[in-house]
Amino acid sequence: EVQLVESGGGLVQPGGSLRLSCAASGFTFSSYSMNWVRQAPGKGLEWVSYISSSSSTIYYADSVKGRFTISRDNAKNSLYLQMNSLRDEDTAVYYCARGGFGELFGDYFDYWGQGTLVTVSS
Amino acid sequence: SYVLTQPPSVSVAPGKTARITCGGNNIGSKSVHWYQQKPGQAPVLVVYDDSDRPSGIPERFSGSNSGNTATLTISRVEAGDEADYYCQVWDSSSDHYVFGTGTKVTVL
Repeated sequence: EVQLVESGGGLVQPGGSLRLSCAASGFTFSSYSMNWVRQAPGKGLEWVSYISSSSSTIYYADSVKGRFTISRDNAKNSLYLQMNSLRDEDTAVYYCARGGFGELFGDYFDYWGQGTLVTVSS
Repeated sequence: SYVLTQPPSVSVAPGKTARITCGGNNIGSKSVHWYQQKPGQAPVLVVYDDSDRPSGIPERFSGSNSGNTATLTISRVEAGDEADYYCQVWDSSSDHYVFGTGTKVTVL
């Protein structure tokens, strides 16, 4: 059974940093691209970042480029999101989601974690 | 940037058909994916590549895509179909994934 479990969310002050993790199991993690998607309270889904299976290709939404860094450790079956210079508008539930096989981008997200809440507030 | 527009809400009686549109410039040239999200839960993929269904998704869910509009159709609607629905595409001009604005389906 495919499982994605996010952790690392919490309350942080504006300008602060936070690192999210996503632990994957039930599939060959190193063979799939991964994504972070967020949802502000009462709002819609917003794609945040993509990383290919080998980490060779990375994309970011304009709203987080230069502040967030996506990475993965295939030996640990884990995906990460380092978030710096956090703003009020970054407050959201952050989901990790499995993407396409290998270096494929543009594919659908077939499995999602349950999400971790990040609250940016003073 | 590429924009996907959905109606904020759709209401449908049980047993009837719900149609949720997703409008975008020449969206017919892209692959469209649809997600269902119930309150407090993570999104679930219900249709991918315009009209394919993942295993476990009822045949009542179907999709189409042409011109400037993609459509998710839910036939024989049940109370359990009440949820938010989002369309999604890959925008190759910006190397960004894009989600639609979302549609809340209410079963009367």
